[in-house]
Amino acid sequence: GAVVSQHPSRVICKSGTSVKIECRSLDFQATTMFWYRQFPKQSLMLMATSNEGSKATYEQGVEKDKFLINHASLTLSTLTVTSAHPEDSSFYICSARDSDAQPQHFGDGTRLSIL
Amino acid sequence: GQNIDQPTEMTATEGAIVQINCTYQTSGFNGLFWYQQHAGEAPTFLSYNVLDGLEEKGRFSSFLSRSKGYSYLLLKELQMKDSASYLCAVRGSDQAGTALIFGKGTTLSVSS
Repeated sequence: GAVVSQHPSRVICKSGTSVKIECRSLDFQATTMFWYRQFPKQSLMLMATSNEGSKATYEQGVEKDKFLINHASLTLSTLTVTSAHPEDSSFYICSARDSDAQPQHFGDGTRLSIL
Repeated sequence: GQNIDQPTEMTATEGAIVQINCTYQTSGFNGLFWYQQHAGEAPTFLSYNVLDGLEEKGRFSSFLSRSKGYSYLLLKELQMKDSASYLCAVRGSDQAGTALIFGKGTTLSVSS
């Protein structure tokens, strides 16, 4: 079945650091990938839709200059949290779909902790 | 606007059957999904309904009524490992760039 790989699984860093998270579709091409954020005991909130070869589409309230998304190829999207602060600490999950008929498959998630 | 409602918590015992309900109000509809999420892990896909009726998959079944904006996930022969959060999600259109919108999840606790 479709596999989505996300790296790293966990990041602990100091406030002000920029953190890059990678999301790869391993056995299919994904023109669209999605980035979600999940705070403890809350649901997944869509942050942005990553489109291969074009700009990402951000949800209302998500700062595009803070959460930089690059979808340079059909198998890789990256999310960079720039100048991260403690309030950015969260569980970040990417997902992708290999065709319109298929469900979204999720990466394993990245737990980001900003000290 | 978009709204997906499901109960916050449910409890059940091993071997029992539990039904988790989900109601939705979305601007469009192109499928309803159920995911299972264990604490600290990413969601895993359980089931998908786009037409009315029941989809059965082993111990898990999911039902959809589009006219009522209603779905349920039925878990049979509960096991301890079924303790997890169950997420109801709706896709609003069939366009490739359409993300899933998730409900807040139902935390299911299975006891012996």
